[in-house]
Amino acid sequence: TQLLEQSPQFLSIQEGENLTVYCNSSSVFSSLQWYRQEPGEGPVLLVTVVTGGEVKKLKRLTFQFGDARKDSSLHITAAQPGDTGLYLCAGETPDSWGKLQFGAGTQVVVTP
Amino acid sequence: DTAVSQTPKYLVTQMGNDKSIKCEQNLGHDTMYWYKQDSKKFLKIMFSYNNKELIINETVPNRFSPKSPDKAHLNLHINSLELGDSAVYFCASSPPGAATNEKLFFGSGTQLSVL
Repeated sequence: TQLLEQSPQFLSIQEGENLTVYCNSSSVFSSLQWYRQEPGEGPVLLVTVVTGGEVKKLKRLTFQFGDARKDSSLHITAAQPGDTGLYLCAGETPDSWGKLQFGAGTQVVVTP
Repeated sequence: DTAVSQTPKYLVTQMGNDKSIKCEQNLGHDTMYWYKQDSKKFLKIMFSYNNKELIINETVPNRFSPKSPDKAHLNLHINSLELGDSAVYFCASSPPGAATNEKLFFGSGTQLSVL
């Protein structure tokens, strides 16, 4: 059983459209991270959120941490083909310090 | 200039063989990890070392033996390879600090195929 559930599993959109990816859990996380992974490469850290209700922006990407620190979302505005990749959320629970738990990822494809 | 480098990139071998994957980081980080990514892209931690000392062993079969000769290197040796070992193995490192997982730097992975 995975600690973090991501949805949807796959998302295909046209360039210029908006999209939202979700990461949910029944557990509370002390911090939660989002990574993007491209084919043949390792995941690259995009952002870390640590405070319930926190919102962080990275250009066209907006990350939100739920008030109860059990869920997070990633919103991309005006998606571009360069946003294509596997988006992974990962979190650390208070009783699993040092063990980052990953979700199964959302594959995003942005077509021109 | 590669921050976390692992070799080889691809490894194809027969069942029962022994193989090693090497990892080096030039970031000056104290903590290094091995992660396994299965065919469904699920990433799971295997081991974590801090300054050459094992701190996490996530119930991995003892056919897997990590070795850290110094804090910049973490190698993974696998004995008696099985079909189920086929996966992509990622090395990673993180800087020192209270929240060591805040910045995890991954290598580009080793695709292991056991035939």
